[in-house]
Amino acid sequence: DAGVTQSPTHLIKTRGQHVTLRCSPISGHKSVSWYQQVLGQGPQFIFQYYEKEERGRGNFPDRFSARQFPNYSSELNVNALLLGDSALYLCASSLPGGHISGTQYFGPGTRLLVL
Amino acid sequence: DAKTTQPTSMDCAEGRAANLPCNHSTISGNEYVYWYRQIHSQGPQYIIHGLKNNETNEMASLIITEDRKSSTLILPHATLRDTAVYYCIVLGSNYKLTFGKGTLLTVNP
Repeated sequence: DAGVTQSPTHLIKTRGQHVTLRCSPISGHKSVSWYQQVLGQGPQFIFQYYEKEERGRGNFPDRFSARQFPNYSSELNVNALLLGDSALYLCASSLPGGHISGTQYFGPGTRLLVL
Repeated sequence: DAKTTQPTSMDCAEGRAANLPCNHSTISGNEYVYWYRQIHSQGPQYIIHGLKNNETNEMASLIITEDRKSSTLILPHATLRDTAVYYCIVLGSNYKLTFGKGTLLTVNP
């Protein structure tokens, strides 16, 4: 069974541009979460989606947005990129429901570099 | 969300047990303890979780103290491939994972 897949694997953008990152969850998983990981830090929670609805949001500006599609895949969008947005962006999928949603399966991430 | 405290780094000899401690003194009664690890340049990997009782799976054992204020992740026979950053996380009521800086475990030959 395929794991969580993310695309692209690497991306280079310039300040002020927009970026869209994509994630496909494990088959049967209906919840998708997004995390940002800057060098030397642990992943920081951005969003969680379940059944196309936003279920949680971390402390990130409105330049960050996401959505989930009927097939449970998800996109993360970041507008007006800043140098500080350079990071590894991780997607994780899980079965929803209480503490079970803490068991998340992560993709390999998209490494974004903003110049 | 309950905060966790972990040592910054630890070393372990290959083949020996690795015991990774975590303090979570403000944990609430219904909050679970989760452990993940992240091997360099990869996404985090789920290891194990527990509420009150000790848990064991094919990867590790989780020992939670009776007062639930601390826990220990045990890798019974560490290998070089277990070198990674290990994160101890208390799952909050909003069911989101809050990662700290974790413990860098280095397994030495």
